[in-house]
Amino acid sequence: DAGVTQSPTHLIKTRGQHVTLRCSPISGHKSVSWYQQVLGQGPQFIFQYYEKEERGRGNFPDRFSARQFPNYSSELNVNALLLGDSALYLCASSLDRTANYGYTFGSGTRLTVV
Amino acid sequence: KNQVEQSPQSLIILEGKNCTLQCNYTVSPFSNLRWYKQDTGRGPVSLTIMTFSENTKSNGRYTATLDADTKQSSLHITASQLSDSASYICVVSLGGATNKLIFGTGTLLAVQP
Repeated sequence: DAGVTQSPTHLIKTRGQHVTLRCSPISGHKSVSWYQQVLGQGPQFIFQYYEKEERGRGNFPDRFSARQFPNYSSELNVNALLLGDSALYLCASSLDRTANYGYTFGSGTRLTVV
Repeated sequence: KNQVEQSPQSLIILEGKNCTLQCNYTVSPFSNLRWYKQDTGRGPVSLTIMTFSENTKSNGRYTATLDADTKQSSLHITASQLSDSASYICVVSLGGATNKLIFGTGTLLAVQP
């Protein structure tokens, strides 16, 4: 059974561009959360989606948006990229919205903005 | 303010030695506490998870403890191996209907031969 898969693994973009990151949760998991991890720091919560609806949002600007599809996969979109958006973007899936049953992370997408 | 603090910030030990990492939290309401291992540039991998009523849990050479009264947790690594070199992150889940996780900034462990 596949774990949480994220694509692409690495990405280089220039300032002002747009980026789309993708995540497929573990089969049967209905909740997907996105995190941004800047080098040397802990992950920062961006969004949680459960049953295709946004259930939580962190302190990120409106340039960040996401959605969840009927198959529970998710996309994270970032518009008007800034140098400070360079980070490891992590996706985590859980069975339900409370994460009491476990919380599995993908390997992340390394985004570099130049 | 909900916070998770870890110490030490970094640690260097020799292969075969034991070590203990610390985590103090001020999170309310508390649901559970997890220790994750994160290799550089990779996603965190869960080592242990403990709820309020559990005070110790083992996973191979990793043993985590939880003192809910003092709001402290520790991760003990026995007979360290070179592959243990990684960042170890303490994560506390908020209780209730939320899915919010509060992350510590991690302890960077380097195991040397």
